[in-house]
Amino acid sequence: GAVVSQHPSWVICKSGTSVKIECRSLDFQATTMFWYRQFPKQSLMLMATSNEGSKATYEQGVEKDKFLINHASLTLSTLTVTSAHPEDSSFYICSARQGASNQPQHFGDGTRLSIL
Amino acid sequence: RKEVEQDPGPFNVPEGATVAFNCTYSNSASQSFFWYRQDCRKEPKLLMSVYSSGNEDGRFTAQLNRASQYISLLIRDSKLSDSATYLCVDTNTGNQFYFGTGTSLTVIP
Repeated sequence: GAVVSQHPSWVICKSGTSVKIECRSLDFQATTMFWYRQFPKQSLMLMATSNEGSKATYEQGVEKDKFLINHASLTLSTLTVTSAHPEDSSFYICSARQGASNQPQHFGDGTRLSIL
Repeated sequence: RKEVEQDPGPFNVPEGATVAFNCTYSNSASQSFFWYRQDCRKEPKLLMSVYSSGNEDGRFTAQLNRASQYISLLIRDSKLSDSATYLCVDTNTGNQFYFGTGTSLTVIP
């Protein structure tokens, strides 16, 4: 149980393109979804937290106009990297949690984004 | 001070060895902790929750020491497949997960 699917798993595109990443909880309803970014040999950095039907809460230093998050249902959240540039190249991972804040998060398998 | 601190390692141990990692946390009011495992270029996978009374799952034992504010993970009879980065997580008192930077383990044949 607790499967989270993330799509696409790998994206390569030109600078200036906008890229949408989907995160789905397949067998449970996710009260809260999270988006992380991870650079090589570094820990996961939380970008934003979203609750279904609400605006996402962004971490300090994360541009909300650059990283658009939509959490339209209890099983789907999307992250759109708008006008992506090479410095946005990273490993983006979503996670989903069912219930209270003391419950574990379950992670999608990540999206490797490369901007040329 | 970081919410969660881990020794990044690397820990290189022979197959069959017992290895332990610690992770310290800064907020004495933190309630929930987890250990995750992350393989190279993959997503983190939940290894186990850490309960106040400690918990064990096969070769893995997790413990919480509130007095000294650390959690530990003990792996017995290490297998080659245990090679990975182990991340400790503190949920603090709120909505967030605070990840440690991870401890790298390599089990050598």
